[in-house]
Amino acid sequence: AIQLTQSPSSLSASVGDRVTITCRASQGISSGLAWYQQKPGKAPKLLIYDASSLESGVPSRFSGSGSGTDFTLTISSLQPEDFATYYCQHFNSYPLLTFGGGTKVAIK
Amino acid sequence: EVQLVESGGGLVQPGGSLRLSCAASGFTFSKYEMIWVRQAPGKGLEWVSYISTSGSTKYYADSVKGRFTISRDNAKNSLYLQMNSLRAEDTAVYYCAREGTGGSNYLGYWGQGNLVTVSS
Repeated sequence: AIQLTQSPSSLSASVGDRVTITCRASQGISSGLAWYQQKPGKAPKLLIYDASSLESGVPSRFSGSGSGTDFTLTISSLQPEDFATYYCQHFNSYPLLTFGGGTKVAIK
Repeated sequence: EVQLVESGGGLVQPGGSLRLSCAASGFTFSKYEMIWVRQAPGKGLEWVSYISTSGSTKYYADSVKGRFTISRDNAKNSLYLQMNSLRAEDTAVYYCAREGTGGSNYLGYWGQGNLVTVSS
């Protein structure tokens, strides 16, 4: 089964910072990757799909890139509402969905 | 507006059973595959189960295979997860979800989550 490894597992940043989160797949997955944002006590929210496509309604400061095994989520200018945990996700044949371990973005 | 509302969670003893429901509205339920995802306290996301539009195809994570059963009632716009032989490690918030604008490989709509606690 394909495994997704996120790094770092946590980071501290300030409002206005540029933040980059990495997701590495254990084997090539083309561009089949999504990114989600989850705030405490809330359901995850889809941000990016197909590695770089922005979900409708998501601010343009979020962007995704990569293909094959290495992917990144970038927040160009961190806003107060962006402090959350971020997960990458891939759709497999089985198990159907694989998630990365998560990256918590905290206030510095 | 797409809405997914879970219910049926709560406290259950190890070895017990519980049935989660997910009421769908704002879209044609019968046209969408549905998925259950769970999240143990303080942990990451774990896929649990999948069901096709007609209910004829079902998949389960190894961790729940043989104990959980996914089903749907398209006439009632509802998704279910029957959980038997519950273990402490099944303690989690359970989410129902479906695809969004990005297609069926990604989960664009989620319920609010329903906590299941397995403890004596």
